[in-house]
Amino acid sequence: DAKTTQPPSMDCAEGRAANLPCNHSTISGNEYVYWYRQIHSQGPQYIIHGLKNNETNEMASLIITEDRKSSTLILPHATLRDTAVYYCIVRVASGWTDKLIFGTGTRLQVFP
Amino acid sequence: KAGVTQTPRYLIKTRGQQVTLSCSPISGHRSVSWYQQTPGQGLQFLFEYFSETQRNKGNFPGRFSGRQFSNSRSEMNVSTLELGDSALYLCASSPGPGQGGTEAFFGQGTRLTVV
Repeated sequence: DAKTTQPPSMDCAEGRAANLPCNHSTISGNEYVYWYRQIHSQGPQYIIHGLKNNETNEMASLIITEDRKSSTLILPHATLRDTAVYYCIVRVASGWTDKLIFGTGTRLQVFP
Repeated sequence: KAGVTQTPRYLIKTRGQQVTLSCSPISGHRSVSWYQQTPGQGLQFLFEYFSETQRNKGNFPGRFSGRQFSNSRSEMNVSTLELGDSALYLCASSPGPGQGGTEAFFGQGTRLTVV
């Protein structure tokens, strides 16, 4: 079962910041938060991941709350090409498996 | 650096047939995972392989099987195809288990249609 909860859909105006929330209230201390996105019928694309601290890369920023029970993915200047389904996933940092458990994700629609 | 390569990209099979899909991971990656994506069930984990050993398996019938070769390339096989097996099959490549701080990279998938 998915261990994250995301809103099913969101809209964002082109050029504005898109803030995608994720709830992972049962996250364990050794679990990372990962974000992937999937543009229609393509393979999921890695965006960013983090453990405790906020992270930023060329695509996005990840803000994780202090209690680690929720996080927000921020696309600072959304473009039409950012229209996709965004998945928030928790993943163990060590051990036996690289398994990813996908939830239903958030369908982000960026409009002109 | 080449990405994850899945072949074929599209496939049409008849009920009762069997099919083999191939995945070549990123060079140096030793872990390969397979996922099935359908409109009704979303993205579901099938199994993962590391060093030619199946490390984990999802909740799928025994008709779904896989293997990994010494060069880390992986194949998955579905026998006695059913209409419900029509899906996008995705392969993900990563360095190996226990490295949760690294990302998995996905291929473009194989679109299987069973008629």
